[in-house]
Amino acid sequence: GQQLNQSPQSMFIQEGEDVSMNCTSSSIFNTWLWYKQDPGEGPVLLIALYKAGELTSNGRLTAQFGITRKDSFLNISASIPSDVGIYFCAGHFSSNTGKLIFGQGTTLQVKP
Amino acid sequence: ETGVTQTPRHLVMGMTNKKSLKCEQHLGHNAMYWYKQSAKKPLELMFVYSLEERVENNSVPSRFSPECPNSSHLFLHLHTLQPEDSALYLCASSQVDSNSPLHFGNGTRLTVT
Repeated sequence: GQQLNQSPQSMFIQEGEDVSMNCTSSSIFNTWLWYKQDPGEGPVLLIALYKAGELTSNGRLTAQFGITRKDSFLNISASIPSDVGIYFCAGHFSSNTGKLIFGQGTTLQVKP
Repeated sequence: ETGVTQTPRHLVMGMTNKKSLKCEQHLGHNAMYWYKQSAKKPLELMFVYSLEERVENNSVPSRFSPECPNSSHLFLHLHTLQPEDSALYLCASSQVDSNSPLHFGNGTRLTVT
């Protein structure tokens, strides 16, 4: 079935390090979205990508819509303790408009 | 501050109880969603309402019953739940647009005893 493969599943890094996570699929997407979920909260939209090849930044976060439209990555530069949380990728399939599919999430822990 | 508000934040109920989860969105959106989030699992879409009509029901057991009285409000009525139904239930809203992002509430943490 249609699914997203998100990796890594978890990361434990030192404060100040850069972080990279990605999502891949065998299907083509119209959009890629990246969300962050803090403990006890709902997911919050970080970055939305709408065109193949698009590279968008939001502060220390940078995300790209893969040129093949089948993948996306999220980078976090100079991590800080408040970056802790679960990061989800999500995307709208080109063949099933309106249906948003979520990755399994990447749990990030930052050691001060 | 979220434009999607869910109540209650926490709920503990027995298997014979009947309770309801409430969601309200203040974003002017016309589609609303219920998701279930369990530990170690991806977000599971339960129900979608678009323009107040249910457009998707992902084979959810009948002990979960949604209600969407208008475009700003969404309920999830619960009855005779099972312990495995314990999870975080998230409400979301969006515009009825093929590429519109979802905006989530903070969820209701449900524990079934």
